[in-house]
Amino acid sequence: QEELVQSGAEMKKPGSSMKVSCKASGYSLTRNHIHWVRQAPGQGLEWMGRVDPKTGGTKSAGKFQGRVTMTTDTSSNTAYMELTRLTSDDTAIYFCAREDWHFILWGPGTLVTVS
Amino acid sequence: QSALSQPPSASGSAGQSVTISCTGSSSDIGSSNYVSWYQQHPGKAPKVVIYEGNKRPSGVADRFSGSKSGNTASLTVSGLQPEDEADYYCCSHAGAYRVFGGGTKVTVL
Repeated sequence: QEELVQSGAEMKKPGSSMKVSCKASGYSLTRNHIHWVRQAPGQGLEWMGRVDPKTGGTKSAGKFQGRVTMTTDTSSNTAYMELTRLTSDDTAIYFCAREDWHFILWGPGTLVTVS
Repeated sequence: QSALSQPPSASGSAGQSVTISCTGSSSDIGSSNYVSWYQQHPGKAPKVVIYEGNKRPSGVADRFSGSKSGNTASLTVSGLQPEDEADYYCCSHAGAYRVFGGGTKVTVL
């Protein structure tokens, strides 16, 4: 069974950094791009960016450029998303998603609270 | 990369149909073959119900259908069922980027 398993909930202080992991199970991470999408409490989905596990190449939304780093470790079949200089506006559920021209598989989400 | 525009809410009685619009621009929906729709129940991860504008993944009820005209995509849910009550999001490719709509809450009366 193919699934994405994400790291657990985190509490962070303003100004600090967060790093969420997303482990692919049942398939090879290099098969597709991994995207990161976040959802603030009571709000909609917001695309943050994506990483190509084969090349390490990334593309991020303009508002996160300079603050987000997306990486992969193919040896452990895991993708990572690090976000720096956190503010309360970064409080959200962070999802990783596998894309095959559309988001075919989603992780369960990781709640990050900045306070 | 501005968010796509969706109505915040839509509703219909069980058995009726509801259509949700998603308006973008020539930089995203208007120039993309990859418009998808996601259903999200409270506390759950989103799930794709329509991809590439009008294709339905296996396991998704044929009550879900999609279309596109110009810069606007639409999702229609026919024969509404109680389990269709959820938030729905459109998403489009915009070159190497992706952009979501603001979401529409569908209520089954």
